[in-house]
Amino acid sequence: DVKVTQSSRYLVKRTGEKVFLECVQDMDHENMFWYRQDPGLGLRLIYFSYDVKMKEKGDIPEGYSVSREKKERFSLILESASTNQTSMYLCASSPYLSGNTIYFGEGSWLTVV
Amino acid sequence: AQSVSQHNHHVILSEAASLELGCNYSYGGTVNLFWYVQYPGQHLQLLLKYFSGDPLVKGIKGFEAEFIKSKFSFNLRKPSVQWSDTAEYFCAVNALSGNQFYFGTGTSLTVIP
Repeated sequence: DVKVTQSSRYLVKRTGEKVFLECVQDMDHENMFWYRQDPGLGLRLIYFSYDVKMKEKGDIPEGYSVSREKKERFSLILESASTNQTSMYLCASSPYLSGNTIYFGEGSWLTVV
Repeated sequence: AQSVSQHNHHVILSEAASLELGCNYSYGGTVNLFWYVQYPGQHLQLLLKYFSGDPLVKGIKGFEAEFIKSKFSFNLRKPSVQWSDTAEYFCAVNALSGNQFYFGTGTSLTVIP
């Protein structure tokens, strides 16, 4: 089974703090994604990466950055957390060829106070 | 950019009732289509997918979906729902020409025993 592991399930951070959300997948997938899930808005793509050190902006990249130094690891960084970034963050991965299934981690609940 | 519309935001059904959740997408090319389910407190899981062939796709737990190309639709159905089907359901689209997955805003299903 594909396993996508997010390092933290629940975090509480203060406004202005730098926040790192880590994600690791164990299936050698080329593509990795960070989504944000909010009630009534569904899943919105923040960033995705199709290879090591490669990244592309999704629909809502503002206030976020990402890092992919190794194939299995994809990090989401909030440079200066704000209260409107309180949300559920989902990491996902998929094989390179389009048409393959995307697999999700359990999510990280981030509260910014 | 592609978009995915789920018309029902919140559905409440009694056990044994039939279910149909609507999903429409906007993209002129060839797509792969998915339904994902998120049970309370759990991560997103694949319910079923359509890549090609028979437009009527069967998934897990008695769910099925029909791809109607002329209507750009991929509606989810189940003849008789159970209390355990209470969850949030997301429709997703992936274009064959790209690696991104686009998700609808989700439908929250509550099944009353």
